[in-house]
Amino acid sequence: EVQLVESGGGLVQPGGSLRLSCAASGFIFSSFAMSWVRQAPGKGLEWVSGISTSDESTYYADSVKGRFTISRDNSKNTLYLQMNNLRAEDTAVYYCAKYRGWSNPRIDYWGLGTLVTVSS
Amino acid sequence: DIQMTQSPSSLSASVGDSVTIACRASQSIGTILNWYQQKPGKAPKLLIYVASSLQSGVPSRFSGSGSGTDFTLTISSLQPEDFATYYCQQSYSYPLTFGGGTKVEIK
Repeated sequence: EVQLVESGGGLVQPGGSLRLSCAASGFIFSSFAMSWVRQAPGKGLEWVSGISTSDESTYYADSVKGRFTISRDNSKNTLYLQMNNLRAEDTAVYYCAKYRGWSNPRIDYWGLGTLVTVSS
Repeated sequence: DIQMTQSPSSLSASVGDSVTIACRASQSIGTILNWYQQKPGKAPKLLIYVASSLQSGVPSRFSGSGSGTDFTLTISSLQPEDFATYYCQQSYSYPLTFGGGTKVEIK
């Protein structure tokens, strides 16, 4: 059974940093591209970032480019999202997501999400 | 970036009704379009991929169609468990983008 378990969320002040982690199990992690998707309270889904199987390719939403960094450790079956210079508008539930495909991916599994709150 | 526009933003329907949700892309995306269902407090769930392929385990009352810029998701006979919010998403090019969502409520 595929499981994606996020951790690392919490309350942080504007301008601060957080690192989210996603522990993956139930599939061959190194064979699948991965992604982060977020959802602000009461709002819709927003794709944040994606990473290929061996992290040779990464993509970011314009809203986080230059502030967030996605990475993965295939030896630990773990996906990361380093978030710097956080803003109030980054407040959201952050979902770890498994891709099917890379060039034209679909998200076939999602984690339960971790809440990030940016507030003073 | 490709913008995705869904309509309506919400609708009310009864159990047994047929429901159609529209999704329009700001440029042609072929059939590289996915549909997700999200219930309150839960993670989204993949329903349809490449516009019309049913994800494994999804009931056959869900169907998708369209190509180019215009797509639809149809629920043929609405069931109580189908009341949720539905999102389209294009995977034609990065950054991936979602529609704003359509909330299906009980009439």
